[in-house]
Amino acid sequence: ETGVTQSPTHLIKTRGQQVTLRCSSQSGHNTVSWYQQALGQGPQFIFQYYREEENGRGNFPPRFSGLQFPNYSSELNVNALELDDSALYLCASSWSGQGKETQYFGPGTRLLVL
Amino acid sequence: GQQVMQIPQYQHVQEGEDFTTYCNSSTTLSNIQWYKQRPGGHPVFLIQLVKSGEVKKQKRLTFQFGEAKKNSSLHITATQTTDVGTYFCADQTGANNLFFGTGTRLTVIP
Repeated sequence: ETGVTQSPTHLIKTRGQQVTLRCSSQSGHNTVSWYQQALGQGPQFIFQYYREEENGRGNFPPRFSGLQFPNYSSELNVNALELDDSALYLCASSWSGQGKETQYFGPGTRLLVL
Repeated sequence: GQQVMQIPQYQHVQEGEDFTTYCNSSTTLSNIQWYKQRPGGHPVFLIQLVKSGEVKKQKRLTFQFGEAKKNSSLHITATQTTDVGTYFCADQTGANNLFFGTGTRLTVIP
C-alpha cells in the first residue's frame, strides 16, 4: 500500500451536476497530481498541486478545478458533469524537490455520470 | 504533441511463456517509468529508467531504455498468473507529470 487514500471509492452523478473528489497524500509528500483514466485507456494528467498552488495542467477544460490544503491533501472539483467524465480518477502524491520523484497512486474514485 | 504507443495492445500467453511489451515515443523521453495495473486496481510503480541504454532487472522482469531514449521495453520471463494486468510505460516530463502510454493488457492462461 502507498499510503495515498481517496474518497469516495465510487460515485454516481447525473449530467450537469457537480462533484468533489478527495485525496490524502502519503505522509511527507507535498505534491498531488490528478489523473483521469477512461475505461481501457491509460491515465491522463489533469493537473498538479505543489504547496497549495497549481503547478501544471493538462488538456482539461476549466470546469475541472482543484485545491490543495496546508496538510497537502487535495480536492478535485468537476462542474457541469458530462457523460464523458465517467472514468476512474486517480491521485498520486510525491515529494517534489528538484528532481524527478516517483509518484504513488491512490486506489482511485470511480465516477459514473448518467 | 507527444505520443507514446505500446505494442502489443493485448497479449495472451500460456503460463510459463515469456512476454514483452514495447513502448515507443514520437519524441525523446525524459525518464521512463513502468507501472502495472491489475484489473479493477490502480497503477503500481515498478521501476524508473533514466539513462540511455539502461537495463534493470527485478526478479523475472527486465526493463530496458533505448539508446536514443525514444523507446523502452519490459520483458517478463516465465510468466505466472500473478503477472496478469495492464502494463503502462510513462514519460516523466519536465513538470514532474506522467504522460502514459497506451498500455499492454496481459492475460496468462494457466
